[in-house]
Parts: sequence; structure tokens; C-alpha cells
Amino acid sequence: GQQVMQIPQYQHVQEGEDFTTYCNSSTTLSNIQWYKQRPGGHPVFLIQLVKSGEVKKQKRLTFQFGEAKKNSSLHITATQTTDVGTYFCAGPGNNDMRFGAGTRLTVKP
Amino acid sequence: DAGITQSPRHKVTETGTPVTLRCHQTENHRYMYWYRQDPGHGLRLIHYSYGVKDTDKGEVSDGYSVSRSKTEDFLLTLESATSSQTSVYFCAISEDGGDTDTQYFGPGTRLTVL
Repeated sequence: GQQVMQIPQYQHVQEGEDFTTYCNSSTTLSNIQWYKQRPGGHPVFLIQLVKSGEVKKQKRLTFQFGEAKKNSSLHITATQTTDVGTYFCAGPGNNDMRFGAGTRLTVKP
Repeated sequence: DAGITQSPRHKVTETGTPVTLRCHQTENHRYMYWYRQDPGHGLRLIHYSYGVKDTDKGEVSDGYSVSRSKTEDFLLTLESATSSQTSVYFCAISEDGGDTDTQYFGPGTRLTVL
């Protein structure tokens, strides 16, 4: 079945450094979604990418969808302590959403 | 945040006992989901519902059953809890279950099976 793989599993950065998490699917996706989960919280929807090669920005966050629609990335510029949490990508499966294992980001002030 | 509540929020139980977790929504969304979250595995789908009395299995459904008698409520039952079912359980909802539909998550239930 379709799998969504995400790397790295953990990332620790100094505040002000950049951060990137990568997502790869075993199959072509119609779209990809990104979610953020703060420590002790629940996943919250961030954004959806639909078009091949699409790039979207939310302030310091840049999301990309690959040309083949099988991979995606989330890049955070100049991380802040408010960015800590786990970032998940997710792609549609058969009547469900398949989530990557997530990248847990910690930021040292 | 979407109107989703889960109860209980925390539960400790013993192996072999039955456990029921409840998810309640006030959004009138058609689809409801139960996920479990474990370190290194992300969110894995247990069961989902696409309407009242309409449910289907997810990726990790063994040992779990669900019921949906009303649009707003989705129950997850562990008939005989095992230690491997210790996890954080999230309920989620979506409007129509389509490929581009967004999922909204409840606050989660932390279940410990001793």
C-alpha cells in the first residue's frame, strides 16, 4: 500500500538557524498536507499543496511540492522557539489520510 | 479550533479490561476517524466512519471496534485491553472525506494499559 516517509525523525537547532523536513511518497499524490503538533497538543492543519512544483509561503515557512508529486518539503527560515513541535506530512490513501512519522523539532534559545 | 472533544482525556487501566473512548463533534462533519500515535510511527488510522452506522477498518484495526449511532459521536472500544494498546488516541473529523479535505483533530486521550 501507499507509504509516506518523512526525514529526519528529529532535528535540534539553535534559534535563528534554518530547518527543513522532507516527505516522500511511494506513489504519486493528488495533494499533500502539512500539520504541526505542539508538545502535548494535537495536530493542526498548516497547508495543502495540490499542483506539481507548487511553492507556498507562510511567513518564515516555505512549502514545496515536487514536480512528480511524490515528494514535498517544509523549510523554516530563522527558527524561533515558537516553532518547536512535530511536523507531519500527509497524503491521501484509500478513503483515509496517510501520515508520515513526523519530524520533531527542538530549538535551543 | 474545531468543536471536537474527547473523553476521557487520561485513563489508566489493567490488561484484559474493556475500555471505551468517546469522540464528540459539534461541526456536523460526515467523516470521523480514530488514530493512535506512538513514537516513531506518527499517526496510524484505526477505524473511520463515513456516516451514521457506516464504518470501515484502517491500518491498525486489530483489537479495536467502533460504533457511530449519531452524527456527533464516534466511540472506540478496546474489548480486552493489552499493553501494546498503550498510546495516545486522537479523534479527527473531516467534512466529506475527499482527497483534499482537511482533518481537524481532537485534544487526544492518553491511555495506559498496565
